[in-house]
Amino acid sequence: ILNVEQSPQSLHVQEGDSTNFTCSFPSSNFYALHWYRWETAKSPEALFVMTLNGDEKKKGRISATLNTKEGYSYLYIKGSQPEDSATYLCAPIGAGGTSYGKLTFGQGTILTVHP
Amino acid sequence: DTEVTQTPKHLVMGMTNKKSLKCEQHMGHRAMYWYKQKAKKPPELMFVYSYEKLSINESVPSRFSPECPNSSLLNLHLHALQPEDSALYLCASSQVRGGADTQYFGPGTRLTVL
Repeated sequence: ILNVEQSPQSLHVQEGDSTNFTCSFPSSNFYALHWYRWETAKSPEALFVMTLNGDEKKKGRISATLNTKEGYSYLYIKGSQPEDSATYLCAPIGAGGTSYGKLTFGQGTILTVHP
Repeated sequence: DTEVTQTPKHLVMGMTNKKSLKCEQHMGHRAMYWYKQKAKKPPELMFVYSYEKLSINESVPSRFSPECPNSSLLNLHLHALQPEDSALYLCASSQVRGGADTQYFGPGTRLTVL
């Protein structure tokens, strides 16, 4: 069973602030890390899939980095907007066997951006 | 189009009822998933189908019975559920069952068991 931790649990920021949160996961048997954004009453939306140590991905104002050796990933949001308010979930996937293709989600970080 | 559809949106059932949840995708994906999400918890994997064959069952009670009749359709048959089975049931699909394949989620079915 993968132990995935996300911090902080929740975050309140003002519009225009930049923010970041962390996902920690076991570094052994790592294959890939997925980030999702989940707005209330909507489908979870895939943000990034990251596989390589040192990987950096960007989508608009959101970016993510990956450190597989120490088992963590950071998600950054630059100039937060109210529409960024959502729960951000990370999910590592292990390599091979029964864990292949199996997303194990962290508890998520709930972001609220105040106008 | 990256849409996964789920029906119904909401379902209320008694403990003796039999009902089914339906999930559909038309992206040509060959892997489909059922997740269960309880309030204030992250989604937890229940089942994975790969090329219409069940490849992962996360020790789910037999009162939940998955079925994949074709590559576009995934059902979850429910029978003799308990009130603690009330949750949001999410379906997802990906190109194949793989570590780096994005899983696309549907909006879920909110199930209440009375």
